[in-house]
Amino acid sequence: NAGVTQTPKFRVLKTGQSMTLLCAQDMNHEYMYWYRQDPGMGLRLIHYSVGEGTTAKGEVPDGYNVSRLKKQNFLLGLESAAPSQTSVYFCASSLGRYNEQFFGPGTRLTVL
Amino acid sequence: TQLLEQSPQFLSIQEGENLTVYCNSSSVFSSLQWYRQEPGEGPVLLVTVVTGGEVKKLKRLTFQFGDARKDSSLHITAAQPGDTGLYLCAGNGSSNTGKLIFGQGTTLQVKP
Repeated sequence: NAGVTQTPKFRVLKTGQSMTLLCAQDMNHEYMYWYRQDPGMGLRLIHYSVGEGTTAKGEVPDGYNVSRLKKQNFLLGLESAAPSQTSVYFCASSLGRYNEQFFGPGTRLTVL
Repeated sequence: TQLLEQSPQFLSIQEGENLTVYCNSSSVFSSLQWYRQEPGEGPVLLVTVVTGGEVKKLKRLTFQFGDARKDSSLHITAAQPGDTGLYLCAGNGSSNTGKLIFGQGTTLQVKP
């Protein structure tokens, strides 16, 4: 089992460019999450999904969109990147709402 | 808005010393988790505490959930260089959605 994988690992964008981060899990988990991690701020939830075809907003959703067309994949999109979106992005999945969350290795995004 | 405050934010100690990390809130949490994160990787779950007053031990690590389920602590006995990392507490909030609220994290450095 690969667990939770994220692509790409690193990315540099210019302001206004768009990109999609891909998260994949092979544990048949229902719940998936996207977080961003900034120094001194812990992890903040961007969007999450409680099952295939469903998504919901988290704590800091502005500037991001998500899709969960397949149970194993959760995509995070930035339509028009801004320097404030420079961060490390983590995807996580869990079996149910109160189960352990398993995290991917992260994507380091820099927006110039 | 539910918040978790962790203290201290940084801790640098010598091998063999003891330490305690605190995680406090004014809100009640249904459960609280502690994660450890190493550089370049995602957080990994150490423990989940559910019942007020609960104490769990994981080798040299002792976790306690406050009686009122508003606070938690992590105590490490005889710290080792391998304990170095970022420690994060995360609470399951009142929304019943499984969303985790993370503290800012405590960076621990254990010098040989």
